[in-house]
Amino acid sequence: GPKVLQIPSHQIIDMGQMVTLNCDPVSNHLYFYWYKQILGQQMEFLVNFYNGKVMEKSKLFKDQFSVERPDGSYFTLKIQPTALEDSAVYFCASSQTGGNQDTQYFGPGTRLLVL
Amino acid sequence: LAKTTQPPSMEAYEGQEVNVSCSHTNIATSEYIYWYRQVPHQGPQFIIQGYKDYVVNEVASLFISADRKLSTLSLPWVSLRDAAVYYCIVTDSGNYAQGLTFGLGTRVSVFP
Repeated sequence: GPKVLQIPSHQIIDMGQMVTLNCDPVSNHLYFYWYKQILGQQMEFLVNFYNGKVMEKSKLFKDQFSVERPDGSYFTLKIQPTALEDSAVYFCASSQTGGNQDTQYFGPGTRLLVL
Repeated sequence: LAKTTQPPSMEAYEGQEVNVSCSHTNIATSEYIYWYRQVPHQGPQFIIQGYKDYVVNEVASLFISADRKLSTLSLPWVSLRDAAVYYCIVTDSGNYAQGLTFGLGTRVSVFP
């Protein structure tokens, strides 16, 4: 099936530093999403993005978070500055139309550890 | 959004059929039912979706009760590769590109 890629697969960073997580969505998809999963806890929606704009964000999407997709390249999640509680696996997803019957395809995740 | 309730875990042997139930007693008429599964170190993978009655694809089948308050995902002839956490998700058709709400899911263990 369609593949979403995420780079890097793992990232270790010191608290207070900036980190950028990269997502390569399915090529003809127009809607993009980030989710966060802390070890042993349920997956939580962070934000979705379409046509260069954030459409919806959850309470977990702190002011330190930002997303963009410059010139149709990677869809990125930037955290600046990072905090200890940002340690989690971050999953990117994409979908073609965003409609209710449209499937979201997930990447394998980036494991972020903030020390 | 309708809240979903699933059993926390199930076990099966290879070759058996596994039926994972999901209760969504407050489901609205605008909401659809999705099933995803997640194996360790991977992202969730879409399995099947439905609104009512019975849906089948090459991977699974989905039965939805007449009042839509209960759905059952059926996995025929499970193998070790089917060991995963299975999530039942209800989404609102009126909310475009909605973020999915995952619960804790059902952990399905498969034994040889």
